[in-house]
Amino acid sequence: AQSVTQLGSHVSVSEGALVLLRCNYSSSVPPYLFWYVQYPNQGLQLLLKYTSAATLVKGINGFEAEFKKSETSFHLTKPSAHMSDAAEYFCAVYFGGSNYKLTFGKGTLLTVNP
Amino acid sequence: DTAVSQTPKYLVTQMGNDKSIKCEQNLGHDTMYWYKQDSKKFLKIMFSYNNKELIINETVPNRFSPKSPDKAHLNLHINSLELGDSAVYFCASTVGAGRTDTEAFFGQGTRLTVV
Repeated sequence: AQSVTQLGSHVSVSEGALVLLRCNYSSSVPPYLFWYVQYPNQGLQLLLKYTSAATLVKGINGFEAEFKKSETSFHLTKPSAHMSDAAEYFCAVYFGGSNYKLTFGKGTLLTVNP
Repeated sequence: DTAVSQTPKYLVTQMGNDKSIKCEQNLGHDTMYWYKQDSKKFLKIMFSYNNKELIINETVPNRFSPKSPDKAHLNLHINSLELGDSAVYFCASTVGAGRTDTEAFFGQGTRLTVV
C-alpha cells in the first residue's frame, strides 16, 4: 500500500543547531514529494517540492531536502535553526497515476529553544 | 491579494445546527479540495472538484455536502453538526487534476467548534 510516514511527531532543537525532519514513503513508483510548513493558526505553505528534476531540492527559508530512492526517503534539513522556524511540518505525496490526492504525513512539530 | 480565501475563519455553533463554509480561489486553478485537520493536526482529504465536477469523495458522512458553482468556488455545507465535526477545515487548489508536479495552495482554514 502507498503511504507516507514522518518519523517523530515532535523534534526539539536549539537555536543554531541542525534541523532534520524525516519523511519516508512507500510506493512502487517514484512519487512526487512535497514539504509544507504550518505556522500557528495559519494555513499550509509550500517549503519545497521534488518532481524528479533534481534529487537535492532547495526551498524557502534555508530549507532543503534530498530525495533518496534507495532509502525511499525525502528528509528535510536546515543547517542552522532559527526561532522563527518553530512550526508544524508536513511531508506530502502524490503517488502518481490517476490518484489526484495529495496525501499528508502526520506532521512533525518543530520547537526551537533559545 | 489572497490566493485562496475561506470564510468564516472561526465558526462556533451548537450541535444539530447546519452551517456552511465558503472558499474562493483567484489563481485560475481547475481543481479545488476540502481537507479536515483534526486536533492532532492530521490532514485528511474529504472532497475534490475538477472544473466543477466531483472527482474525489472520501469516506465522509453524508451530512457533509460540497458544492462548486464554478471552478473558482467550492463550498462545504454541513448538516446536523456533531461534536466530532469540530476541526479546522482547509480549502486548497491546484492547477489541475493529474498535474501532480504542482503544489497545492491552501486557505487560512476555518476553525469549526461544535458545542
